[in-house]
Amino acid sequence: NAGVMQNPRHLVRRRGQEARLRCSPVKGHSHVYWYRQLPEEGLKFMVYLQKENIIDESGMPKERFSAEFPKEGPSILRIQQVVRGDSAAYFCASSQRQDQDTEAFFGQGTRLTVV
Amino acid sequence: SQKIEQNSEALNIQEGKTATLTCNYTNYSPAYLQWYRQDPGRGPVFLLLIRENEKEKRKERLKVTFDTTLKQSLFHITASQPADSATYLCASRSGGYQKVTFGTGTKLQVIP
Repeated sequence: NAGVMQNPRHLVRRRGQEARLRCSPVKGHSHVYWYRQLPEEGLKFMVYLQKENIIDESGMPKERFSAEFPKEGPSILRIQQVVRGDSAAYFCASSQRQDQDTEAFFGQGTRLTVV
Repeated sequence: SQKIEQNSEALNIQEGKTATLTCNYTNYSPAYLQWYRQDPGRGPVFLLLIRENEKEKRKERLKVTFDTTLKQSLFHITASQPADSATYLCASRSGGYQKVTFGTGTKLQVIP
């Protein structure tokens, strides 16, 4: 019973390159959330997606960041033209439903380093 | 916007004692408060959820309280063990889905 799988675990990119982070939710989960954790800061909500739909992207930077959760395949968080300030741990979580009693399961995260 | 404050200083306690971690929130009272455990290099693991109308919740050696007057939640681990050493995150949740606001966490070290 695999949990939330994120890959890669570690990603190094040069400034200006693109970063693609993948998240496979728990089997049967159709709700995916992305969070960013900067050093010495708490996790910050970025975006909430259901299959093929972005429900809430209020935490996403307006430029360079995008997310998708296609009908088939993993959810992708894409960062274009990365800058040093994008270096952080990016966590994906999934849940089966969105109601109040539903627990979200987090992946191990992708640690992005921009050099 | 909601802000969750946790003591950023590490908490060191002796094995067998009760560890108590504090979480304070500003602004409005969240519908739920959640507590997570996070180990180094790992993702958060959900522990407990307490609703606004609940004063206390227990799960094995864990106990969480929710005081809307003080705008505070306390997280207790009784009979603490070295394996309980980790960072504990408090998070508020107001909506129906998992858009939660996390605190920065308190690092707990249980000394054998």
